[in-house]
Amino acid sequence: KQEVTQIPAALSVPEGENLVLNCSFTDSAIYNLQWFRQDPGKGLTSLLLIQSSQREQTSGRLNASLDKSSGRSTLYIAASQPGDSATYLCAVKGFNKFYFGSGTKLNVKP
Amino acid sequence: DAMVIQNPRYQVTQFGKPVTLSCSQTLNHNVMYWYQQKSSQAPKLLFHYYDKDFNNEADTPDNFQSRRPNTSFCFLDIRSPGLGDAAMYLCATSIPGGELFFGSGTQLSVL
Repeated sequence: KQEVTQIPAALSVPEGENLVLNCSFTDSAIYNLQWFRQDPGKGLTSLLLIQSSQREQTSGRLNASLDKSSGRSTLYIAASQPGDSATYLCAVKGFNKFYFGSGTKLNVKP
Repeated sequence: DAMVIQNPRYQVTQFGKPVTLSCSQTLNHNVMYWYQQKSSQAPKLLFHYYDKDFNNEADTPDNFQSRRPNTSFCFLDIRSPGLGDAAMYLCATSIPGGELFFGSGTQLSVL
């Protein structure tokens, strides 16, 4: 069964810092990997989708990479802002299901 | 222009009193999912529909049922809510191999 792990569970950084969030998965047979943002008490907002054939995707200050062979993905956030404070979750898609990590709770201090 | 809409946003029910949560979508996606999420945990898949085909997770309690009367709508019925069923319930849609889109969720409280 696919296991998805996100480390660290929580991260606090000063505003302006570049940071990296990590996601690892145990089964490399995935269709895609998706990064989400979740604000407290809200649903999940899709940030980036990487298909299994791709190595990275970029959107604004966000860059996500995928290394299927090693079972890893990273989400790079450039020049962090207080508005980036949220929980970031990754999900990998297997045959017909998405498997989620527990998330990294990010706090960006002004 | 919300694409996956969940109602209500907050739902309070009494212990043992049946409750129904609803989800609608304007994306015309053929796959719809229901997830349960408790505080600081990963979303847990309860079941999903591929078109009209219902797929139940092995560990989803019998207390949870679902209906999908058409492509646009999907309902989650909790027949006899217990205190442990208090959680955020998330509806999501996708096309096969595609991106997952979530609604805003329904926060269920059980008194």
